[in-house]
Amino acid sequence: GQQLNQSPQSMFIQEGEDVSMNCTSSSIFNTWLWYKQDPGEGPVLLIALYKAGELTSNGRLTAQFGITRKDSFLNISASIPSDVGIYFCAGAYSGAGSYQLTFGKGTKLSVIP
Amino acid sequence: DTGVSQNPRHKITKRGQNVTFRCDPISEHNRLYWYRQTLGQGPEFLTYFQNEAQLEKSRLLSDRFSAERPKGSFSTLEIQRTEQGDSAMYLCASSLIGGRANEQFFGPGTRLTVL
Repeated sequence: GQQLNQSPQSMFIQEGEDVSMNCTSSSIFNTWLWYKQDPGEGPVLLIALYKAGELTSNGRLTAQFGITRKDSFLNISASIPSDVGIYFCAGAYSGAGSYQLTFGKGTKLSVIP
Repeated sequence: DTGVSQNPRHKITKRGQNVTFRCDPISEHNRLYWYRQTLGQGPEFLTYFQNEAQLEKSRLLSDRFSAERPKGSFSTLEIQRTEQGDSAMYLCASSLIGGRANEQFFGPGTRLTVL
């Protein structure tokens, strides 16, 4: 099935550093979402974005809905060890009555204390 | 905690056997979704229900797969004549209808291993 292009695939950072990751699509979406997944668990919703250009924060996390509607960005400031995990972007276009999410392959984040 | 629950969490079966998984969504959520996730990949959509009606099915959902949500509450996903390629994490999610319908909340998943 279709997947989004998510980069980088993995990151090793020092505790306290800021992190940036992004996601691009060949199709437009009207919703972008960011999830975090720990090993053996389901994805946990972090941020949802609904409008092109929208910038939304959730604590140390900030995400943006790209103005072309084909991309989104996630930033994590001042990383801590519990930020370790896999971050997934997901897009949805519900205009045609479909509510499926299309996911990227994930960015694996490792934090070095 | 009244999040999405899934049972069993792990299932090991032999090729050719049938398996059934259960999902209990967040109680006030009308929509329920099934996804499959293999190692190193993001979740891939299988199907979704609005109340008891199955409204969308992916091409990934072969005729060996069947999902039901008989009373619009819990859902079951059955795989008949399992194959080794069916080994994956099966995730269930639920959401409300309305402005935030795309905010899907996932359960912990059922890990299927087919020997």
